[in-house]
Formats: sequence, C-alpha cells, structure tokens
Amino acid sequence: AQSVAQPEDQVNVAEGNPLTVKCTYSVSGNPYLFWYVQYPNRGLQFLLKYITGDNLVKGSYGFEAEFNKSQTSFHLKKPSALVSDSALYFCAVRDRNNFNKFYFGSGTKLNVKP
Amino acid sequence: DAGITQSPRHKVTETGTPVTLRCHQTENHRYMYWYRQDPGHGLRLIHYSYGVKDTDKGEVSDGYSVSRSKTEDFLLTLESATSSQTSVYFCAISESGSMGHQPQHFGDGTRLSIL
Repeated sequence: AQSVAQPEDQVNVAEGNPLTVKCTYSVSGNPYLFWYVQYPNRGLQFLLKYITGDNLVKGSYGFEAEFNKSQTSFHLKKPSALVSDSALYFCAVRDRNNFNKFYFGSGTKLNVKP
Repeated sequence: DAGITQSPRHKVTETGTPVTLRCHQTENHRYMYWYRQDPGHGLRLIHYSYGVKDTDKGEVSDGYSVSRSKTEDFLLTLESATSSQTSVYFCAISESGSMGHQPQHFGDGTRLSIL
C-alpha cells in the first residue's frame, strides 16, 4: 500500500538553529514529492516540490528539502529557524503513474522558541 | 492565493441531518478534491473529481457523496450526518494533464460539528 510517514509528531528548535522535519515514503515508481505548511485555521500552503534532477530542492520562505532515493526520504530543512516558522508541516507524495491522488503524511508540528 | 472558496466556514448540526459543503474555484482547474483532517490522521481523501460529472472515491468515502455539475463547483454531501463525521473539511484543486507535478491548492476549510 502507498504510504507516507512523518515519524515525529513534534519538533522543537531554538530560533536561529537549523531545523529538519523528516518524511519517508512507500510509493511505487518515482513519485513527485511535496511539502506543505499549515497555519492555524488555514488551509495547507505549498512550500516546495521534487520532480527530478538535483536532490536538493529550494522552496518558499528559505525552506529546502533533500531527496534521497535509496532511503526513500524527503526531509525538509532550513538553515536558520524563525519563530514565525512555527506551524504544522505535511509531506505529500503523488504517484507518477496514477496522479489522481495525493498521499499525505500525518503532519509534524514545528515549534520554534525564541 | 488560489481562488478557492469553501462555504460554510463553520457549521453545527444534529445527527441524522443532511449536510452539504460547497467548494468553488475560479482557477478553471480540472481536478478537485475533498479531504477531512483529524488529529493524528493528517489529511484523508474522501472523494475527488477529474472533470465535470467525473468523480471517484478516496480512502474514507463511506457516508459521503459528491457532485460536480460545473467545472468551478464541487459539492460534498453527508446524507445522514453522524458524530464520527465531525471534522475539518478541506477542498483542494490542481491542474491536470501530464503536469502531474503540479501541487494542490487548498481552501481554508469548513469546521463541521455534529452533535
């Protein structure tokens, strides 16, 4: 079965420190990979995506993500966290052979403390 | 922000009543989706549409039906609401064709409480 795992329900980091939010997936083929962010009482907002090519993808608000095919992972990173980055983050995957559907992880709550 | 409007934004109703949620888009995107979001489950797909009158089930479709009579509108109906359907419902849209890498864009959700 297709699945996306975000092993950490919550990540705590101090402002100015680097952050990583983890995502692994189990989807056939070479899926498209996405990260979204959700602020309270809002819908999900697209941050970045991996299609092909360079394993390091840059996105909005200084976020980047590293694709690792052998580990089937797509971890979200930021070199220096801001308090305003505190939000809920979702990893998502889309099967290239059946892109009617997106598969979402359960979400990771990022807390950035001053 | 993508032009997606969900209505109502909040609703409280009683068990056994029918409920219809509306999603309206101004982007002319082919694909539309309904998700529910519950703590610990992330987003779960209820139904999706790949064109006018073309819909299919997602992983949690029991108790829900959908209709899409126009490109811009996608309706989600709970025929007889149950307390287990208390949730936050999100509509999403995405472009189509061979552009499978196009992301989804989300509305701001409908908070539905069934008493």
